[in-house]
Parts: sequence; C-alpha cells; structure tokens
Amino acid sequence: DQQVKQNSPSLSVQEGRISILNCDYTNSMFDYFLWYKKYPAEGPTFLISISSIKDKNEDGRFTVFLNKSAKHLSLHIVPSQPGDSAVYFCAATAVQGAQKLVFGQGTRLTINP
Amino acid sequence: ETGVTQTPRHLVMGMTNKKSLKCEQHLGHNAMYWYKQSAKKPLELMFVYNFKEQTENNSVPSRFSPECPNSSHLFLHLHTLQPEDSALYLCASSQETVLTEAFFGQGTRLTVV
Repeated sequence: DQQVKQNSPSLSVQEGRISILNCDYTNSMFDYFLWYKKYPAEGPTFLISISSIKDKNEDGRFTVFLNKSAKHLSLHIVPSQPGDSAVYFCAATAVQGAQKLVFGQGTRLTINP
Repeated sequence: ETGVTQTPRHLVMGMTNKKSLKCEQHLGHNAMYWYKQSAKKPLELMFVYNFKEQTENNSVPSRFSPECPNSSHLFLHLHTLQPEDSALYLCASSQETVLTEAFFGQGTRLTVV
C-alpha cells in the first residue's frame, strides 16, 4: 500500500507562471513532510519541508502548503524558471514509531520557455 | 557536491557476478541508507544503519548484502542478481533517522544482464 502518492507523473508549465505539484498521503501518523528535487544523473536534493504544526512554509520562490484534514500537501513554485525542470519527490515521516522517509513516485516538471 | 559520494556511477554486471557499491559521507551524520529507484516507482528504502548498526531491512532479498564498517562508509554487496534488479541505487545520510532531511548521493545506475 502506497502511503505517499503523487498522482501526476508529469506537469508542463510556461516560464514565469506558477507550478503546483500535489501530494497525498494516507498515514495520519505522518507529521513532517519534505520535497526533494532530482535532476537527471543526480541524487535527490532537499528543497523545502513543513511540520504538521504549520500549514504553510515559504522559502523564496517555493511555498509548501499542508492540509492535514485532507491529508494533502502541495508545492508552489512562482515564478517558474527553466532551471526548475526536474523530477519532484514528496516525502513524509513520523516521529512516533521512528518512521523513516516514505517517498512518492515523483512528478516530472517541465518549464517551457 | 552534496557530501555523499557513490561509486561507481554506472555498473553493468552479469547474473553470476559479484560486485559492490560504495557510499561515503563526510557530513558527520549518524544514519545511512540504501534506496532503490526503479522506473515509475517510488524510492524504495532497502536498508537503514544508525550508528553503524543495521536498524531496518525492508524485506530485501539476500542477494543484496549491506555492510557498514564505520559511520562514514556504507557498502552494498551484490551477488547473483536478476535483470529486474536493474535500477538506480541511491545512498543517503542524515543526522538522525527521523525528522531530518536526508542528503543523497548521485546514485549508481546498475544494469544486470
């Protein structure tokens, strides 16, 4: 059973517009969520995170929103730039039960000039 | 440079070969991980080491054998693999095993022929 799901395998956005990547989770014990970005031939790199005590965290062009009741989080990138083209992974973990990072399948974001 | 280095970057091996993947981190982290990334599937956690002790084995077949001689080095020994084991193998490290972001290496692209 997949506990973290990214239902959109790919997303194409025009440069300068907003990119919205979505992630759903099923385990209500998850209390810390992360987004990773992965370029081809490289390992994932940490992008931004959010704790379940918050519903929004912002870092420059990147904002993560958390809706605990819907078990949904999203990553907003605005304005989108060509260098943002990559695969984005959502991940979740829980303090209780020493849960390790559980990843979604990833969404390939393509920013078109 | 993420501080986590994996070698080799690419590996082609026959089903009767024995090979090893190497991972090294210079971040002073206490936990190290092996992940497997297959096409169109989420990152799958294989093994977790915390303070050199294996704390998790996610039902990985015995043809994959991890070794952690010290907190900076992690190996994955491969023996009699199958073609379906072809994937990107990622090493990661983190300060603790929960609630911290993991830093990934660039991965080893393994092809079993």
